[in-house]
Amino acid sequence: AQSVAQPEDQVNVAEGNPLTVKCTYSVSGNPYLFWYVQYPNRGLQFLLKYITGDNLVKGSYGFEAEFNKSQTSFHLKKPSALVSDSALYFCAVRDIPGYSTLTFGKGTMLLVSP
Amino acid sequence: DTEVTQTPKHLVMGMTNKKSLKCEQHMGHRAMYWYKQKAKKPPELMFVYSYEKLSINESVPSRFSPECPNSSLLNLHLHALQPEDSALYLCASSQDRQGDGYTFGSGTRLTVV
Repeated sequence: AQSVAQPEDQVNVAEGNPLTVKCTYSVSGNPYLFWYVQYPNRGLQFLLKYITGDNLVKGSYGFEAEFNKSQTSFHLKKPSALVSDSALYFCAVRDIPGYSTLTFGKGTMLLVSP
Repeated sequence: DTEVTQTPKHLVMGMTNKKSLKCEQHMGHRAMYWYKQKAKKPPELMFVYSYEKLSINESVPSRFSPECPNSSLLNLHLHALQPEDSALYLCASSQDRQGDGYTFGSGTRLTVV
C-alpha cells in the first residue's frame, strides 16, 4: 500500500523568506511523486513531479522539490515566498511497478504574510 | 486545449432531485476520475474510468451514478442525495501512464438542501 504524510497542517512564513512544505511517503516500489496547489474554490493545479533522474525538481511559479530516497521525503521549497503563494498544498504519490491511482496527503495550508 | 471543463460550477439541489454533473476534456486522455472533496481536506477518489470502462468504484453509494459516454466526456448522475453529500466534486483526467499526474477541473460546488 502507498501513503503520504504531510506533518504540518499549516505553515506560516513572511513574504520574501524561504518556505518549505514537508512531505514523506511510503511505497512498496519506486515512487512517482507530485505536488499540487489549490486556491479557494478551485481545482488542484499541478506544480511539479519527480519520476527519476535529478533529485532536485523545478516546477511552476518558482517552486522546487527535493527527492530524498533515504529519508523517503519530497519537500516542497521556494527561495522567496509571495503573498499570492498562500494556498492549500497537497503532496501525492503513485508507486511502480503496478498500476495505482494517486494517493494524496492531508494537505498543508501555506500562509504568507506581507 | 489543456483543460478539464466542469459544469455547472455551482449546484443547489433538494434531496428528492435528480441532477447531473458534467466533465469534458480534449487532451486525448484515456483515464478520467471523479473525486469528492470536503473543505480543507484531500480529494477522495470516487470512480475511475479507463478507456471508457469503469475500472474503480471506491464503494460509493448508489445515489451517485457515473457515466462515460465517450473518451472526452464524463458525467456524474445524482439522485436522492443527503446533506452530507454537499462538497466540491472534482473531475480529473490523465494519460493513464504511471508517470503522469492528473489534470483537474475547477470543480462543481454542490449543496444539498
